[in-house]
Amino acid sequence: DQQVKQNSPSLSVQEGRISILNCDYTNSMFDYFLWYKKYPAEGPTFLISISSIKDKNEDGRFTVFLNKSAKHLSLHIVPSQPGDSAVYFCAASVNSGGSNYKLTFGKGTLLTVNP
Amino acid sequence: DGGITQSPKYLFRKEGQNVTLSCEQNLNHDAMYWYRQDPGQGLRLIYYSQIVNDFQKGDIAEGYSVSREKKESFPLTVTSAQKNPTAFYLCASSIRGINIQYFGAGTRLSVL
Repeated sequence: DQQVKQNSPSLSVQEGRISILNCDYTNSMFDYFLWYKKYPAEGPTFLISISSIKDKNEDGRFTVFLNKSAKHLSLHIVPSQPGDSAVYFCAASVNSGGSNYKLTFGKGTLLTVNP
Repeated sequence: DGGITQSPKYLFRKEGQNVTLSCEQNLNHDAMYWYRQDPGQGLRLIYYSQIVNDFQKGDIAEGYSVSREKKESFPLTVTSAQKNPTAFYLCASSIRGINIQYFGAGTRLSVL
């Protein structure tokens, strides 16, 4: 059973426009969410995260929105740049008692930013 | 330069052979993890360790083994019992109590 779902395998946008990547989750115990960016044959790079006590977190061109009632989060990239072309993974975890627990990943969305 | 080093970058396994993937970190992180990525799939957790000499199975531990004798090292052995070992293997680490994990560059394992 897939607990973190990224239903769009791919997304293509024009340079300078907004990219919106979506993620849905089913486990209501998840309380911390992360986005990672991955280039081919490399490890994922942490982008931005959000705790369930917030509904928005912003870092430069990247903003993550969390809608707990809908169990949905999204990553907005504005403006999109060709260097943003990569696979984006959504991940979730249960922050239990301050101990590290596993991240549950979605299958990823391939973002292509066209010049 | 702090980071996570995985070696080798490419590895080939013969039938019936055990192979060991190396993961070393100099970030002074307590927790370390091993993930497997298959084409079109997300990352799936194999094993994790929150402290030296202790580790737990993840979602797909069958056919794999690990050790954590030193804080900075968390090698993964792919045993002959793993019938479908071809995948991209990723090692990660994190500070205990913080959910953000940092990843190495990965090892691609193929079967000859």
